[in-house]
Amino acid sequence: EPEVTQTPSHQVTQMGQEVILRCVPISNHLYFYWYRQILGQKVEFLVSFYNNEISEKSEIFDDQFSVERPDGSNFTLKIRSTKLEDSAMYFCASMTLGQVEETQYFGPGTRLLVL
Amino acid sequence: KNEVEQSPQNLTAQEGEFITINCSYSVGISALHWLQQHPGGGIVSLFMLSSGKKKHGRLIATINIQEKHSSLHITASHPRDSAVYICAFARGATNKLIFGTGTLLAVQP
Repeated sequence: EPEVTQTPSHQVTQMGQEVILRCVPISNHLYFYWYRQILGQKVEFLVSFYNNEISEKSEIFDDQFSVERPDGSNFTLKIRSTKLEDSAMYFCASMTLGQVEETQYFGPGTRLLVL
Repeated sequence: KNEVEQSPQNLTAQEGEFITINCSYSVGISALHWLQQHPGGGIVSLFMLSSGKKKHGRLIATINIQEKHSSLHITASHPRDSAVYICAFARGATNKLIFGTGTLLAVQP
């Protein structure tokens, strides 16, 4: 069964460093999302991406964040200068047509720890 | 204020018990999702429903759109059901998911 994959599974970085989180969505999916979950809190939406551009972003998704789909398969989230409060689990998700009554498929997550 | 409220926040059950987790939401929606988050963190979609009831194995989900309420039931619970169960709904043109805070279920043998 097709699945969303994410790499790395864990990343530890120093405050101020850049990190790139990678996701490979399911191949025929057209809509892509990043969510994050701070330890002990609920999952929050960061950004959605369709047709090679951001379709919506949350207040969390400030200038330090960027996304791209560099090669038609990978979908990346970059944090330019990490802060302690960026420590969280980051989930990538994808779905086929982006319709309201459609399942989103989640990757296993990347646990980011900023020291 | 959370748009999606779940109860209980924590639930401990004995193996074999029938379990109910509730979800209430405050806005009009077209469909509600139930998801399972494993202890390792991964999220799996269990159900997406817009009316009535759906059943998958020992899991049953119901929704009353007018009352803005959904329930997830687990029959004959098993320790492997131990996880966080989350309800969520899709919002906006991009159908991003708005998540509840989750219910932590522990099923003891």
